[in-house]
Amino acid sequence: GQSLEQPSEVTAVEGAIVQINCTYQTSGFYGLSWYQQHDGGAPTFLSYNALDGLEETGRFSSFLSRSDSYGYLLLQELQMKDSASYFCAVPSLDSNYQLIWGAGTKLIIKP
Amino acid sequence: SQTIHQWPATLVQPVGSPLSLECTVEGTSNPNLYWYRQAAGRGLQLLFYSVGIGQISSEVPQNLSASRPQDRQFILSSKKLLLSDSGFYLCAWSEAQSGGIYEQYFGPGTRLTVT
Repeated sequence: GQSLEQPSEVTAVEGAIVQINCTYQTSGFYGLSWYQQHDGGAPTFLSYNALDGLEETGRFSSFLSRSDSYGYLLLQELQMKDSASYFCAVPSLDSNYQLIWGAGTKLIIKP
Repeated sequence: SQTIHQWPATLVQPVGSPLSLECTVEGTSNPNLYWYRQAAGRGLQLLFYSVGIGQISSEVPQNLSASRPQDRQFILSSKKLLLSDSGFYLCAWSEAQSGGIYEQYFGPGTRLTVT
């Protein structure tokens, strides 16, 4: 089976750096995606890691270590608008057409 | 550019009433289409997905059904709503080519309350 674990909540200060972790238990692996969802809104795609290492996109970076079954999303220079829930997701091993989603991490940013 | 429309934005329905939610995508052809449900403060539960017209795969046994009458139209239906059907319903699309599922694009969602 496949499952993803994320912390339910993370708190950080405006202007700081925060890391949101995602660990997965699966017998195979094809890559890790990250999505952002503001309260009341729809998820939006942030990044995808197919290979090990760090992928940077502006203030957001995503890291993957397939040997450790671990990834994280790194947010730098935090802004109040980054307050949201963040979900990691991996492709299902049982289907070519669906993602398996983590339960999400609520990021709370304090001024 | 691609756009995904979903309506209505909010809906309050009594138990036992029917449901029809519609989703359309513009600016792409033969997309993969998805219906998700999200309970408050929870993750995404995949309900249905479709890789082509008339092709529907169901992930969760329930009183809901889906149809794809046109390439870029996806409909979620129920004949009789249950209280447990309340939630935030999200339609999404992804490119059909290999690797496309990693990037899914979501509609604005429908917040359904069954009373």
